[in-house]
Amino acid sequence: AQKITQTQPGMFVQEKEAVTLDCTYDTSDPSYGLFWYKQPSSGEMIFLIYQGSYDQQNATEGRYSLNFQKARKSANLVISASQLGDSAMYFCAIVSTGMLTFGGGTRLMVKP
Amino acid sequence: GAGVSQSPRYKVAKRGQDVALRCDPISGHVSLFWYQQALGQGPEFLTYFQNEAQLDKSGLPSDRFFAERPEGSVSTLKIQRTQQEDSAVYLCASSFTDRTDTQYFGPGTRLTVL
Repeated sequence: AQKITQTQPGMFVQEKEAVTLDCTYDTSDPSYGLFWYKQPSSGEMIFLIYQGSYDQQNATEGRYSLNFQKARKSANLVISASQLGDSAMYFCAIVSTGMLTFGGGTRLMVKP
Repeated sequence: GAGVSQSPRYKVAKRGQDVALRCDPISGHVSLFWYQQALGQGPEFLTYFQNEAQLDKSGLPSDRFFAERPEGSVSTLKIQRTQQEDSAVYLCASSFTDRTDTQYFGPGTRLTVL
């Protein structure tokens, strides 16, 4: 079985600053994928970024980057130049043995 | 381009009523998933379809929950004799290939059972 842990229930960041959201995972499967999703108050889950376990380089998508440290089993999301519209819940998820498992989420609040 | 759509967006049911939640996946996506999200928690897997075949229903919490995708596109999640503990947001997702592929989610249906 796989597990995702997000230890930060809530975080504040000042607009235009960078912020790191923590995610650690556990799986016995050597092949897996890591995802980050954003869930604004409207409720939809928006796909942000993906990292495969065999990918050598850290994934980047615009202002989002994934700090993947395989030995430490961590996959932190870095958001650069925070914007007010980044305020939302953020979920880390792992797909392993065909099952997508989510963490408990981190609520990010961007201060103007 | 159209994303995943779900209807209704909100549903209020009296305890004991049957409800049906609809999901329209992204056109051409082979796989479809249903998740249940309780307040303040991450989504939890309910069931998975590849085309019209339901390949995994291990997450369905009881035999009151039933899902179908008869023509391999639109899916319906049915909950019979609703209970208060069924109150949650029900999310549908689809992916282009299989369950290891990126899943794209709909806006969810918020079910409240009184």
